[in-house]
Amino acid sequence: TQLLEQSPQFLSIQEGENLTVYCNSSSVFSSLQWYRQEPGEGPVLLVTVVTGGEVKKLKRLTFQFGDARKDSSLHITAAQPGDTGLYLCAGARDSNYQLIWGAGTKLIIKP
Amino acid sequence: EPEVTQTPSHQVTQMGQEVILRCVPISNHLYFYWYRQILGQKVEFLVSFYNNEISEKSEIFDDQFSVERPDGSNFTLKIRSTKLEDSAMYFCASSETTLSTDTQYFGPGTRLTVL
Repeated sequence: TQLLEQSPQFLSIQEGENLTVYCNSSSVFSSLQWYRQEPGEGPVLLVTVVTGGEVKKLKRLTFQFGDARKDSSLHITAAQPGDTGLYLCAGARDSNYQLIWGAGTKLIIKP
Repeated sequence: EPEVTQTPSHQVTQMGQEVILRCVPISNHLYFYWYRQILGQKVEFLVSFYNNEISEKSEIFDDQFSVERPDGSNFTLKIRSTKLEDSAMYFCASSETTLSTDTQYFGPGTRLTVL
């Protein structure tokens, strides 16, 4: 069974601090997607990373795909209360259509 | 911006009853998916669908489940005889292709509660 391990599971920090969320696997993925999910709603796509070593920036969010395409990270600079939410990573392989999901990181940014 | 829509947002049913969850994928997408998320657990893949056929399904997707594209816009998930453990959020998703580098776009979900 292919797993995506996400860490930390829970993070509570003060506004203005930086943080990093990790998504790790022993398997190679063709792409990795990061989603944000609010309670009672569906996952909303933030970014898709495809190439090993790729870095994508979305305002204060920086996403990186590992060189070996087995891991990814999400770094938030100067976190704001609006960043509060559940962040999920999901990986796709060449061989099938399903996404493999991490368990999520629940992020709370305190004002 | 095009989006995936799902109805109803919340469905309450008695154990043993049939339910149909409805989805309208993004209009130019050809590949459709159902996932579920039991409260507090990971999102789990159920089934993928293309050209009026199931492309892939997980172990969860047993004979009690079926999917259908009844017309040009809707994509449905039917659970024939619901069990308590079917209570979950059900998400529909769609994508233009099945390339692993393509993005799956998710609907807001249907919360199914089986009593």
